Amino acid sequence: GNSVTQMEGPVTLSEEAFLTINCTYTATGYPSLFWYVQYPGEGLQLLLKATKADDKGSNKGFEATYRKETTSFHLEKGSVQVSDSAVYFCALSDRSGAGSYQLTFGKGTKLSVIP
Amino acid sequence: DSGVTQTPKHLITATGQRVTLRCSPRSGDLSVYWYQQSLDQGLQFLIQYYNGEERAKGNILERFSAQQFPDLHSELNLSSLELGDSALYFCASSVEPGGPEAFFGQGTRLTVV
Repeated sequence: GNSVTQMEGPVTLSEEAFLTINCTYTATGYPSLFWYVQYPGEGLQLLLKATKADDKGSNKGFEATYRKETTSFHLEKGSVQVSDSAVYFCALSDRSGAGSYQLTFGKGTKLSVIP
Repeated sequence: DSGVTQTPKHLITATGQRVTLRCSPRSGDLSVYWYQQSLDQGLQFLIQYYNGEERAKGNILERFSAQQFPDLHSELNLSSLELGDSALYFCASSVEPGGPEAFFGQGTRLTVV
């Protein structure tokens, strides 16, 4: 079956530091890949996505590139802010044998940014 | 605002009781999912509906059930509640069954005492 593995947290960074959160996946088909963000007390929000190999998703200074050869979709940001403190989930969407999509999430990585 | 509405936002109930959580999907979305988020288990997929029919089942307990109504809103019923059922319950919706991306509600925080 499909699976998503992302780095264990929590991750604590100083403001303006570089962020990388690793994500690798296993899928039987050709999945779309996503990063969701969950701010404290809120639901998950779609941060960025990529639908095919070598696509780069980007939003709010965050980027992730769909790497089929390494089955990875690592999240990066050049300079984090305190407001980026949240839990980040890597996810994939793939068509199952029944023809419908299956959404699979990683366990989440908690990021804390300190001033 | 994702467009997905969940009620109530908070719920406190006693062990052994039954509760119903409600979800209204985004306008135009036919597929609804339910997830449970607890501190030790992370985000667990419970069940998915598409246009009123069950499409996929995850780690949903037999004490839990759900349905999607003709107006596309969904309800998650939790019965014989236990302390361990305390968690955040999220509803999400998407245009197609399972994708390509899902939009999440703010969640219902259930506390069983």
